[in-house]
Amino acid sequence: DAGVTQSPTHLIKTRGQHVTLRCSPISGHKSVSWYQQVLGQGPQFIFQYYEKEERGRGNFPDRFSARQFPNYSSELNVNALLLGDSALYLCASSLGVGGFTDTQYFGPGTRLTVL
Amino acid sequence: DQQVKQNSPSLSVQEGRISILNCDYTNSMFDYFLWYKKYPAEGPTFLISISSIKDKNEDGRFTVFLNKSAKHLSLHIVPSQPGDSAVYFCAANQIRETSYDKVIFGPGTSLSVIP
Repeated sequence: DAGVTQSPTHLIKTRGQHVTLRCSPISGHKSVSWYQQVLGQGPQFIFQYYEKEERGRGNFPDRFSARQFPNYSSELNVNALLLGDSALYLCASSLGVGGFTDTQYFGPGTRLTVL
Repeated sequence: DQQVKQNSPSLSVQEGRISILNCDYTNSMFDYFLWYKKYPAEGPTFLISISSIKDKNEDGRFTVFLNKSAKHLSLHIVPSQPGDSAVYFCAANQIRETSYDKVIFGPGTSLSVIP
């Protein structure tokens, strides 16, 4: 069975540019969450979507946005990139029925470097 | 202000011995805790969880202990195997939450199991 897939694997952008990261959940999973992991820190929650609706939002500026499509895949968009946005962006999927106690399955991440 | 702390950035253990990874939290509202394991170039993988109504949860070689009065939890791996070499993240949340937006991850502990 395919796990959570993310694209691209790596990305290099310059300050001020825009980036779109993509995530495909495990088949049958309806919830997708996004996390940012800066080097030396644990993942930090950005967004959760369930059935195309935003279920949760972390403490990130409005430059960060996301959406979920009818096939449950998701995009994370970041506008006006800053050097501090350089990080590993992780996507996680879950069934979505059990709230926080649902097991999350993480993808391998997209490594974003902002120059 | 780190609400979830893992004060040992790294730990080395001999194969076959016990590995003990520690996690401390400051927010007394946390009542659900998880451990994730992360290999390089992969996303975190859920290992084991515990709610505050328990003080121990066991799954094979992995046992998590929770000391609510000390706001401390630990993950025991017995016996340790070379394949356990990875970064381990502790995470905490409030079980009444329906999303992951309050989840806090610790910075991780890198475990090396020496053959």
